[in-house]
Amino acid sequence: DAGVIQSPRHEVTEMGQEVTLRCKPISGHDYLFWYRQTMMRGLELLIYFNNNVPIDDSGMPEDRFSAKMPNASFSTLKIQPSEPRDSAVYFCASTRRGEGPQHFGDGTRLSIL
Amino acid sequence: GNSVTQMEGPVTLSEEAFLTINCTYTATGYPSLFWYVQYPGEGLQLLLKATKADDKGSNKGFEATYRKETTSFHLEKGSVQVSDSAVYFCALKLGRIGADGLTFGKGTHLIIQP
Repeated sequence: DAGVIQSPRHEVTEMGQEVTLRCKPISGHDYLFWYRQTMMRGLELLIYFNNNVPIDDSGMPEDRFSAKMPNASFSTLKIQPSEPRDSAVYFCASTRRGEGPQHFGDGTRLSIL
Repeated sequence: GNSVTQMEGPVTLSEEAFLTINCTYTATGYPSLFWYVQYPGEGLQLLLKATKADDKGSNKGFEATYRKETTSFHLEKGSVQVSDSAVYFCALKLGRIGADGLTFGKGTHLIIQP
């Protein structure tokens, strides 16, 4: 079975540019989560969706961050404009409610110069 | 609020040594507890879980027991291997499994030397 698929695996861009991270959850999973991992703060939940609807976005750090889930098989996390402090590894995870814990993708390593 | 505290790393052990990684939590409710493992360049993988007090989660020789009285979920393994080298995260979640986000500890980097 295919796991959670994230793209790109690595992204290097200059400050001020728009960055779009992509995630394809496991088929049949109705919850999708975006996390950010940094050395200083560890793993933080940014936002999660249930049935494509954002449920809790209290972890989104600023208005520069936005996330969408237009359908059950695709989600994006966008940063506009990007800043060096956004450099981190961003993980997407999905799960089927009531049937076990979250499955993580391999992450996108984002570097903002 | 909810939080998870793990022992700081890196933890360096020799192969076949006994491993303990401490984890304690604070939670406003009655959480489910998890250990995740992250190998270099990869995402997190669930290692084991426990959903109620005195439950013991186990997988691949690792064990952890949900201790409500001490709010702890320490990870143990009797004999570690070089392949166990990774970062280990303790996490909690309130509510039903699958719903709501996980609260993670900072992670403990484990290095096993041959």
